[in-house]
Parts: sequence; C-alpha cells; structure tokens
Amino acid sequence: DSGVTQTPKHLITATGQRVTLRCSPRSGDLSVYWYQQSLDQGLQFLIQYYNGEERAKGNILERFSAQQFPDLHSELNLSSLELGDSALYFCASSESRKQGSGDTQYFGPGTRLTVL
Amino acid sequence: GNSVTQMEGPVTLSEEAFLTINCTYTATGYPSLFWYVQYPGEGLQLLLKATKADDKGSNKGFEATYRKETTSFHLEKGSVQVSDSAVYFCALSPSGGNNRLAFGKGNQVVVIP
Repeated sequence: DSGVTQTPKHLITATGQRVTLRCSPRSGDLSVYWYQQSLDQGLQFLIQYYNGEERAKGNILERFSAQQFPDLHSELNLSSLELGDSALYFCASSESRKQGSGDTQYFGPGTRLTVL
Repeated sequence: GNSVTQMEGPVTLSEEAFLTINCTYTATGYPSLFWYVQYPGEGLQLLLKATKADDKGSNKGFEATYRKETTSFHLEKGSVQVSDSAVYFCALSPSGGNNRLAFGKGNQVVVIP
C-alpha cells in the first residue's frame, strides 16, 4: 500500500460526458502528479501540482483540467470525453520540496476510465 | 527532450533464470533513474532508484547501475521467481527541473515454473 488513494477505481461513461477523478496523496507529501496509461501512448505525464499551485504541465489536453485543494487532495476533470480518452489514470505524490531532487513518486492504484 | 528506451517485446523465462532488461535514456545533465514494477491490476511500485552516476540501486534481488558513459540503467536479477511476473518500467526524472517522470514503454516479464 503506497498511501496514495484514488477514487473511483472504475468509471464507465459515454462520449461527451464529464467526469472527475479524485486523489489523496500520502501524508506529508506536497506534490501531486497525474499520469495517463494507455496501450498506444504508454505512461504519459499530464500535470503536477505543488502545495496548491500548478508546477508543470505535460501532454494534457485542453479538455482536461486539474486542481489541488488546501487539504492537498487533487482532482482531475475530464470533459467532452472521447473514445480515445479510455485509459488508466494514475495519481502519484512525493515530497518534492526541491525541484530536480529526484524524489520518489508513490503511485495510487489508478482509476480505469472506459468511454463508450 | 528527455526520453527512455526499453528493449522491445515481452520477456519469457523459466524460474531461476537470469533476467536482464535493457534501458537507455536521453537527457541533459544528470537525471535520476528509476525502475518501477506493475503487478496485474495494480498501480506502479518503486523497485529501485539511482540519483547519480555509478550509483547502484538494489531491492528484492534486483539491481541496476547508473552508467553515465553509456546512458544506461539496465535491470538485472540473478534468479527469478514466478512471483516476479509483472511489467517493468524504466523512468527518469530530469535534473534541475521539475520532478515529472518520463517512462519507457515497459516490458512484460513472464516467469514459467
């Protein structure tokens, strides 16, 4: 158990809909990262938050957005869903008090999104 | 940009065989290097890491050495067990920047009794 929790575990929805994925980091970790794992693209970094502020953006679509709340949990919002958005979405957390420090990221169990 | 390359294709081997999974990287400076493992239906778990050249990471019988001269971080285990069957991902975190991970495509390892 990494200490990172994600809900829901599975999500099935239709094209055009909007969903919210939730992540609670390990106790004491200030950084939250979101990754997407799909068969064709592999594991791709989406976005990072540090103590409530956006710190880095990766291959995140404009239809996707995220935020980190004062209690440090994070939500990833996916809207206007398309079939190609079906994937496993992982959240990870780390201390990350210093940039480029090579902190270990601890991953949650993931949310499997299926868009029909 | 930063990238990680893992050898193509699944790896199938017998119990107690020697395992090697190749990983090479492209990055500026001295990135931190990681091996993560994903068991069926689960999230990624850190297997080992190395943060500077010539460092050797090790855990559960697995080892990998950070080779700056060959930009490699190959994973090895001397005697695999059926319980080692999983997908193994090599990843890097760039130096001096944010801590985002760049992953290789992963290798499915199947150990046959």
